[in-house]
Amino acid sequence: GAGVSQSPRYKVAKRGQDVALRCDPISGHVSLFWYQQALGQGPEFLTYFQNEAQLDKSGLPSDRFFAERPEGSVSTLKIQRTQQEDSAVYLCASSPDRETDTQYFGPGTRLTVL
Amino acid sequence: TQLLEQSPQFLSIQEGENLTVYCNSSSVFSSLQWYRQEPGEGPVLLVTVVTGGEVKKLKRLTFQFGDARKDSSLHITAAQPGDTGLYLCAGPTQGGSEKLVFGKGMKLTVNP
Repeated sequence: GAGVSQSPRYKVAKRGQDVALRCDPISGHVSLFWYQQALGQGPEFLTYFQNEAQLDKSGLPSDRFFAERPEGSVSTLKIQRTQQEDSAVYLCASSPDRETDTQYFGPGTRLTVL
Repeated sequence: TQLLEQSPQFLSIQEGENLTVYCNSSSVFSSLQWYRQEPGEGPVLLVTVVTGGEVKKLKRLTFQFGDARKDSSLHITAAQPGDTGLYLCAGPTQGGSEKLVFGKGMKLTVNP
């Protein structure tokens, strides 16, 4: 079966532009996570959905970051007025349910802000 | 805030050598996970350890969870070039949240 997919794989934005990053989780997975991975670092949690409900957004670094999952499947992470410090790999992960620890990661979107 | 410290952060070895990666915290974790990440890809789960003192083996990889569930180690025997990658440890945060906290990772290069 298909794994978690993310698009685009690479995105170059000029400072101040808005970007939208898409995540297609594994079909039927209830939980969906977004992480940010800076160069040379481990992933850092951004936000978490259970179905369409955003249960935790404590990791979003500023109000320029917004995530949604309106129908409980595909999710979009939007960054408004991008800054150079937003440059990173954005990883999406999904999990079958609350009781399962295993998260399945997508390949990530590498965002470069010039 | 729960933190996971990994050491070493970088390791370059020759094929056939053994190595150990450490993952330490001052906090107790209900479980710890080890992932491997290759360039341009997302992390892939290798193993989850749950019980204090637990040892799990995956071919040439041996994972151990500390008795106090504050630390873990990954030992690779007879490393091969295919083992090259970023090794990450991660654990669920306290309070029942599903989010994971990750260490910074150990970048391993195995030279043929």
